[in-house]
Amino acid sequence: DAGVIQSPRHEVTEMGQEVTLRCKPISGHDYLFWYRQTMMRGLELLIYFNNNVPIDDSGMPEDRFSAKMPNASFSTLKIQPSEPRDSAVYFCASSNADRAFGYNEQFFGPGTRLTVL
Amino acid sequence: KQEVTQIPAALSVPEGENLVLNCSFTDSAIYNLQWFRQDPGKGLTSLLLIQSSQREQTSGRLNASLDKSSGRSTLYIAASQPGDSATYLCAVRGRNSGGSNYKLTFGKGTLLTVNP
Repeated sequence: DAGVIQSPRHEVTEMGQEVTLRCKPISGHDYLFWYRQTMMRGLELLIYFNNNVPIDDSGMPEDRFSAKMPNASFSTLKIQPSEPRDSAVYFCASSNADRAFGYNEQFFGPGTRLTVL
Repeated sequence: KQEVTQIPAALSVPEGENLVLNCSFTDSAIYNLQWFRQDPGKGLTSLLLIQSSQREQTSGRLNASLDKSSGRSTLYIAASQPGDSATYLCAVRGRNSGGSNYKLTFGKGTLLTVNP
């Protein structure tokens, strides 16, 4: 398996523009996670999906952020309008969970480095 | 609210030395704890996952321990090599996440440098 695939790897945009980040999870995984990493705050969970349904979006910073998972093999994270403080590395991760919730090893993609000027 | 702390923030050692990285968490109600490695400009690679019922896990030169009652975990690296240089993060999956059963809370990591 190719692992979790993210695109683009780098994105530079101007304040006010719309940004769309993409993720393809590992085939067969039923959980998908979006994280943001900054120097100040470290790695933070933004939202996660189970079987394409958003389960917890409490980490989404504000209404400018939205995420979708139209099918089991694709998810997007959109920022509209973007602001300089959104500059960070955005990671997607996927996981396959057991029935007893006892095991959940997450596998991360390489990340998208977003710079908003 | 679960908080995860990693000490030290940075560590520099000579090649061949054994070393220990520390991770502490405030809420002991966890499902598991996971150690990751992150290379500069790269994503996270899972190293070891310890279930809440386990005391330790081993993989090659790595050994991770878990003391859930005291809220501590250590990652032991034996005979360190320059290739071990990276940032090491620990993350806990908490039971008290307001119904969010799969939320991982991360520490900020320890930046390890192994000098040849």
